[in-house]
Amino acid sequence: NAGVMQNPRHLVRRRGQEARLRCSPMKGHSHVYWYRQLPEEGLKFMVYLQKENIIDESGMPKERFSAEFPKEGPSILRIQQVVRGDSAAYFCASSPRGPGAEEKLFFGSGTQLSVL
Amino acid sequence: KNQVEQSPQSLIILEGKNCTLQCNYTVSPFSNLRWYKQDTGRGPVSLTIMTFSENTKSNGRYTATLDADTKQSSLHITASQLSDSASYICVAVTGANSKLTFGKGITLSVRP
Repeated sequence: NAGVMQNPRHLVRRRGQEARLRCSPMKGHSHVYWYRQLPEEGLKFMVYLQKENIIDESGMPKERFSAEFPKEGPSILRIQQVVRGDSAAYFCASSPRGPGAEEKLFFGSGTQLSVL
Repeated sequence: KNQVEQSPQSLIILEGKNCTLQCNYTVSPFSNLRWYKQDTGRGPVSLTIMTFSENTKSNGRYTATLDADTKQSSLHITASQLSDSASYICVAVTGANSKLTFGKGITLSVRP
């Protein structure tokens, strides 16, 4: 059973370009979470999705950022018109059930986004 | 504001030695406290999850403690190995919506 798969591992974009980050959850997991980690900082929650639905996007900037988790295929985190401040490691996690007291999250290896 | 503070920021120990990592948290309402291990270039991996009614939990050479009254937790690593070199992250979870608040992590280096 493969773990959470994220790709690409590294993504380089110039300012103003679009970045698309993909996450395939573990088999049987229908809940996906995206986190951002800046250097020397802890992971920060961005968005929580369940198949075809955004459940909580309270941590995601209102502009330029969007996320989806279609019925078929991976979850996508999309950043439009990237700026240098978007440079960070973006982690995806999945779980078989929704947020619960002891629900365990399984993390992918992350995508390191570098904006030139 | 929900916060998790960890100390020390980094730690170097010799292989075979024990060490203890500290965590102070402020989240409300509190649900559970988690410790994760994050290898360089990888995602975090869960080590322990403790609810407020548990004050100790072990996972192999890792033992976590929780004092819900003082809002403190510790992770004790016994007989350290080179593969223990990683960042150890303390995470406090709120009871209202199971939101995770991450600490910045403690970088542990185990030297031969």
